[in-house]
Amino acid sequence: AQTVTQSQPEMSVQEAETVTLSCTYDTSESDYYLFWYKQPPSRQMILVIRQEAYKQQNATENRFSVNFQKAAKSFSLKISDSQLGDAAMYFCAYRKEYGNKLVFGAGTILRVKS
Amino acid sequence: GAVVSQHPSWVICKSGTSVKIECRSLDFQATTMFWYRQFPKQSLMLMATSNEGSKATYEQGVEKDKFLINHASLTLSTLTVTSAHPEDSSFYICSAWGSAGKETQYFGPGTRLLVL
Repeated sequence: AQTVTQSQPEMSVQEAETVTLSCTYDTSESDYYLFWYKQPPSRQMILVIRQEAYKQQNATENRFSVNFQKAAKSFSLKISDSQLGDAAMYFCAYRKEYGNKLVFGAGTILRVKS
Repeated sequence: GAVVSQHPSWVICKSGTSVKIECRSLDFQATTMFWYRQFPKQSLMLMATSNEGSKATYEQGVEKDKFLINHASLTLSTLTVTSAHPEDSSFYICSAWGSAGKETQYFGPGTRLLVL
């Protein structure tokens, strides 16, 4: 079975600084998808970024980028120029290529200091 | 696009009563809907997967008679918590997968259930 591990229960970052959230996963599949979701205090889950495993290029979405290391099974999220609105719980998630079920990590609470 | 709504957002009920939560995909057809339960500061725990027109598939440890799921149309799934007890108090989230593209689940805003 696939597992997703987020080893940082909490992280803090100063406003305008950069922070990296870690995620590792375990799978025997060669093709799959990885996601980062943000859950702010409103608790609405918001898709931040998505990465297809067959793509070597790291995904980017404005201030959010990932470092996808397939061999190491690592998928970290970098948030640049952190803003107060980035404060949330962040979940890393995995999905098989042919499937629609998500496997979530335990989450990382990100605090942004002004 | 890809909006999922949940109703109600908040519900308080007495122990022993049943509560129904609706999940709707507003602008796409959801062939599959998922129901999650989340405790404070914890991850989402998948309860069940429902496909339109067929019986839901429950995760291990989830009581199917306690949590009734119906997915009668491509835009609506319901979760009924039967004979609710205080330990059922939680945050319930639905998500939908279907014709919205982007190959991911789209999440509803969640429903807070408090059983007194």
